[in-house]
Amino acid sequence: NAGVTQTPKFRVLKTGQSMTLLCAQDMNHEYMYWYRQDPGMGLRLIHYSVGEGTTAKGEVPDGYNVSRLKKQNFLLGLESAAPSQTSVYFCASSQGAGWGNTEAFFGQGTRLTVV
Amino acid sequence: QQPVQSPQAVILREGEDAVINCSSSKALYSVHWYRQKHGEAPVFLMILLKGGEQKGHDKISASFNEKKQQSSLYLTASQLSYSGTYFCGTQGTYKYIFGTGTRLKVLA
Repeated sequence: NAGVTQTPKFRVLKTGQSMTLLCAQDMNHEYMYWYRQDPGMGLRLIHYSVGEGTTAKGEVPDGYNVSRLKKQNFLLGLESAAPSQTSVYFCASSQGAGWGNTEAFFGQGTRLTVV
Repeated sequence: QQPVQSPQAVILREGEDAVINCSSSKALYSVHWYRQKHGEAPVFLMILLKGGEQKGHDKISASFNEKKQQSSLYLTASQLSYSGTYFCGTQGTYKYIFGTGTRLKVLA
């Protein structure tokens, strides 16, 4: 049982380059989330999705776009990477709305460095 | 908007107790607690629901004060395996916001 899988695990980008992070879950969860984690700031919500074909902005959405064309996949895109986007990115999924009384499952993270 | 946790960091000796607090400026309907080991993904510990009782997980328990919009995580007789960063999570409309995190280090 794979759970939540993120690819790639590591990536180095040059300023201005673009890339897409892929998150895949095999638990048939409706809700999926992208977070970034920076030292001293905890996990901050970038974008989230409440079902296939839907996306919404979180706390820090600027510079990122997302898509959820298939229920099991949630893609995070950086169109023009900036050094400020150097971070560790986590994807999560859950069955419940806003999580409620259900737990969230996290991927192993993607460490992105923008030089 | 992000819940504030205190302390930011704590160092303990094995067997000592610790309390981690989570405070929100918004009304809370539920609180989740997660632990993250270094270099790993956060792992779920427990959920506290509004009106629910105090929860426990091994020697880790938590409380939820809805009126004060606060939750506390209690680690009793800490073990080396408790080391990590602890996050509270609070529920918003369809989205979930994490606290600022508390780094906990347990020494032998």
